[in-house]
Amino acid sequence: ELKVEQNPLFLSMQEGKNYTIYCNYSTTSDRLYWYRQDPGKSLESLFVLLSNGAVKQEGRLMASLDTKARLSTLHITAAVHDLSATYFCAVDKDHTDKLIFGTGTRLQVFP
Amino acid sequence: KAGVTQTPRYLIKTRGQQVTLSCSPISGHRSVSWYQQTPGQGLQFLFEYFSETQRNKGNFPGRFSGRQFSNSRSEMNVSTLELGDSALYLCASSGTAEKLFFGSGTQLSVL
Repeated sequence: ELKVEQNPLFLSMQEGKNYTIYCNYSTTSDRLYWYRQDPGKSLESLFVLLSNGAVKQEGRLMASLDTKARLSTLHITAAVHDLSATYFCAVDKDHTDKLIFGTGTRLQVFP
Repeated sequence: KAGVTQTPRYLIKTRGQQVTLSCSPISGHRSVSWYQQTPGQGLQFLFEYFSETQRNKGNFPGRFSGRQFSNSRSEMNVSTLELGDSALYLCASSGTAEKLFFGSGTQLSVL
């Protein structure tokens, strides 16, 4: 059974600092998603990573995928308050839109 | 281009009742999937439909069912509601770009 683990579960960081969220998964997959969720809102797609070594960047966020290590990272550069949200990674093992989600990382950025 | 539309936005039911939730995918998208989000269990896959056929089903009891119509709109039904069914139900659609777009969700409260 595919399991997806994220850490940390909660991250409180100061504005301007850098940090990385980790997403480990238990079986082979080459399709990984990152989503952002604000309180009471739906999921906003951030990145879709489709191959080993894939790296994508948008603003202060950069995601990467290492399928051999079964690891994806979401790196935050010079955090700002607007990045405060919960971040989920999800794996689609069978390419059928059946996503297995991680537990989520709640990010809080303070001045 | 309109996004994924879910109705209703909020729903309050009592134990033992049944409920039907609706999802209209992005125009042209043929795949619709459903997810349940609760504080305790996180985001869990319910089922996925493609061209009116259920392609995948998650580990939920038979009280949870769904269907997809020829216009790709989808409904999910939960019969004999239990308190534990209280959750945010999210619908997602995808086309050919391996990217899932989520609707705003239906917040179901079972009293």
